[in-house]
Amino acid sequence: QVTLKESGPVLVKPTETLTLTCTVSGFSLSNAKMGVSWIRQPPGKALEWLAHIFSNDEKSYSTSLKSRLTISKDTSKSQVVLTMTNMDPVDTATYYCARIRYQLPDYWGQGTLVTVSS
Amino acid sequence: EIVMTQSPATLSVSPGERATLSCRASQSVSSNLAWYQQKPGQAPRLLIYGASTRATGIPARFSGSGSGTEFTLTISSLQSEDFAVYYCQQYNNWPLVTFGGGTKVEIK
Repeated sequence: QVTLKESGPVLVKPTETLTLTCTVSGFSLSNAKMGVSWIRQPPGKALEWLAHIFSNDEKSYSTSLKSRLTISKDTSKSQVVLTMTNMDPVDTATYYCARIRYQLPDYWGQGTLVTVSS
Repeated sequence: EIVMTQSPATLSVSPGERATLSCRASQSVSSNLAWYQQKPGQAPRLLIYGASTRATGIPARFSGSGSGTEFTLTISSLQSEDFAVYYCQQYNNWPLVTFGGGTKVEIK
């Protein structure tokens, strides 16, 4: 059974760095056919893709947020970590991780709501 | 960046009626277009990929069409469980994917 679960702070202050962890089960992060993406969704707004990590550790980032994002993985722990620097209230959103297979998300985490406020 | 534009923003439909949702890409994405359904408090669910192929377990009342820059999602006879927000997504530039702004299908 494939599952993904996001974890991290529910509240961060402006200018702080956000660190989110996606813990996966039911598949290996070293599987060549799969990768993991982070996608976010501000309340009542549309989805926005943030970053992707491939099984070979290659990474890709949203053009508009590239300077603030870092994605990494620990295969032995089955975890994918996303850091976002210099958080702002406009970054308030539900953050999802998703397994990507054949370029499309086939499993999603439940999402975690992160609020940016002083 | 490829911009995806969905219309209308809100669609009011009676149960049993047909719903037609549109998605336009700012440049050609070939057939690398997916549709998702999202209900409140839930993650999106993949409905259609390759512009017209239903994902596993998706009912036949959902169909997708189009290629290039113009795409359509049709729900042939709306059921109560179909009232939700629908997003299109291009993955022609994968992994630099982009989503549309969404269409909310509400009960008329």
